[in-house]
Amino acid sequence: AQTVTQSQPEMSVQEAETVTLSCTYDTSENNYYLFWYKQPPSRQMILVIRQEAYKQQNATENRFSVNFQKAAKSFSLKISDSQLGDTAMYFCAFMKGGSSGDKLTFGTGTRLAVRP
Amino acid sequence: NAGVTQTPKFQVLKTGQSMTLQCAQDMNHNSMYWYRQDPGMGLRLIYYSASEGTTDKGEVPNGYNVSRLNKREFSLRLESAAPSQTSVYFCASSEIGGGANSPLHFGNGTRLTVT
Repeated sequence: AQTVTQSQPEMSVQEAETVTLSCTYDTSENNYYLFWYKQPPSRQMILVIRQEAYKQQNATENRFSVNFQKAAKSFSLKISDSQLGDTAMYFCAFMKGGSSGDKLTFGTGTRLAVRP
Repeated sequence: NAGVTQTPKFQVLKTGQSMTLQCAQDMNHNSMYWYRQDPGMGLRLIYYSASEGTTDKGEVPNGYNVSRLNKREFSLRLESAAPSQTSVYFCASSEIGGGANSPLHFGNGTRLTVT
């Protein structure tokens, strides 16, 4: 079974600065996908960024980027130029390749507060 | 552009009462899911429906039933609510196969309290 670990329950960053959220996972699979979801106070789960394990290039979406270290089984999220609207819970998630959402495993989340 | 719509947004039940959470998606997705979110535990899968006409148990199915009414709608029923079912419930949908090109789309959640 896969496990996803987010070791930082809470983090805080000053507006306009950069913050990195950590995520590690444990799997014996070689084909899989990794995701970061954002959950603002509105409760909506929003996909932030995704990464295919077979791709060596780190995914980037505007101010959000990942540092994917496959050998270390690490998938950290970097938020650049933090904005107040980035305040949210962030969940890391793992999906086995070739499966549907029934194989999506979530971490316990990191609560990020962006200070003005 | 509704996406995934869940009703109700909030609900309070007494122990032993029953209720149905409704979910509908307008993205023509084949797969639909019900998750529960508890503090410190992330999201856990209750039931899912890979395609219309099929349903399967997830990680925490006990105390719940589901119905895939048609391609758009997937309901979650609590027959006899218990305090342990106090949680936030999320419905989600995706294309068959999921993966990076078809991630889950979530509804806004239902906060359920069982007293």
